[in-house]
This record gives sequence, C-alpha cells and structure tokens, in this order.
Amino acid sequence: EDQVTQSPEALRLQEGESSSLNCSYTVSGLRGLFWYRQDPGKGPEFLFTLYSAGEEKEKERLKATLTKKESFLHITAPKPEDSATYLCAVQPREGYMLTFGGGTRLMVKP
Amino acid sequence: NAGVTQTPKFRILKIGQSMTLQCTQDMNHNYMYWYRQDPGMGLKLIYYSVGAGITDKGEVPNGYNVSRSTTEDFPLRLELAAPSQTSVYFCASSSLKNQVNYGYTFGSGTRLTVV
Repeated sequence: EDQVTQSPEALRLQEGESSSLNCSYTVSGLRGLFWYRQDPGKGPEFLFTLYSAGEEKEKERLKATLTKKESFLHITAPKPEDSATYLCAVQPREGYMLTFGGGTRLMVKP
Repeated sequence: NAGVTQTPKFRILKIGQSMTLQCTQDMNHNYMYWYRQDPGMGLKLIYYSVGAGITDKGEVPNGYNVSRSTTEDFPLRLELAAPSQTSVYFCASSSLKNQVNYGYTFGSGTRLTVV
C-alpha cells in the first residue's frame, strides 16, 4: 500500500526565515510526485511534478527536490503570502491514482 | 476557463436527510474524483470515474453514491446523512499524459455540516 507522510504538521516562520518541508513516501515504483498548495477555504492548487531522484524544480521562493525515499519543499526568504497548507502526493508506476499526505500548514509572520 | 465547478459551497443537513453535491469540469478530462478532507487528516478518496458510465469505489465509499452520465458531470449523492459525514468535499479531474496523472485540478470545495 502506498503511503505518504509529511512533516512537520505545522510550521511557524518569521518573514525571511528559510526552511524546508518534508514528504516521505513508500510506493511500489514512482511514476510522479506532486506538490500542491492549499489556501484556507479553497481547493489544492498544483505547484510541481517531480519524476526521478535528483530532479529539482523551482517557482519563485519555492524549490522542490526528490530522492528515492523523500521530497523536500524548500522555502527561501518566505513572505506572509506563502502561508498555506502544502500537500504532497505520489502516483505509483503501475496505476494512476494519487495518494496524498496529510499536509504541512505553514504560517509566515511579518 | 472555469476548470472544476462545485455547488453548493456550504450546506447544513439534518441527520437522515439526503442531498447531491454537483461537480462539473470543462477541460474534457476523462478522470474525475471525489475526496473528503477532515481537519488534519488529508484527502480521502470516496469515489472515482475513468470515463462516462464507469465509476468505482475509493477508500471511504460508505454512505455515498455517484453517477457519471457525461464526461463533464460527476455528482455525489449522500443518502441518510450522518454526523460522520460532516466534512469538506472536493471534486477533482485529470487526464493521463505519458502515463502521468496530469493536470489534477480541484474544485473550490463544499463545506457540509450534518446536525
């Protein structure tokens, strides 16, 4: 059974204080790992897809990296508008269903 | 470009009542999904569909039913509502591209309270 565990559950940062969110996964062969951002009262919005170990993708202050067992979402010099819940999901090589982690709630204070 | 549209946004039901949550997508995606999200619990798959006329159970299907008569619409039916069905419900759609579940797009959600 595919499993995705995100840590920490919640993270409070001061504006400008860089940090990383972790997504550990167990899957029978990885087809893709996805990161989403979810604002309060809204549906998750797609950020990145990573396909293989060593791959990195960037978008503004966010950078996602992937190893064979985990993915990190690095946030550099965060701003209050980066406050949201970040969700990680995996798709196995055999199949198309995504399994989601529980998310990390990020709060950035000015 | 509407994406995935869900209605209603909020609803309060009494125990034993029934209702249908509507979901429509305009991206011509074959795959559609219903999730529920409870505080701190992540997304749990209720039902999914790989195309019109084809549906299947997900992780937590009890108390729910779905139908898929068209590519665009995927309504979720709650029969005999129970307090355990209090949750936020998300509809999503996607397509496969090079075997990757691509373009997974969520609606804005329906917040349901059963009292």
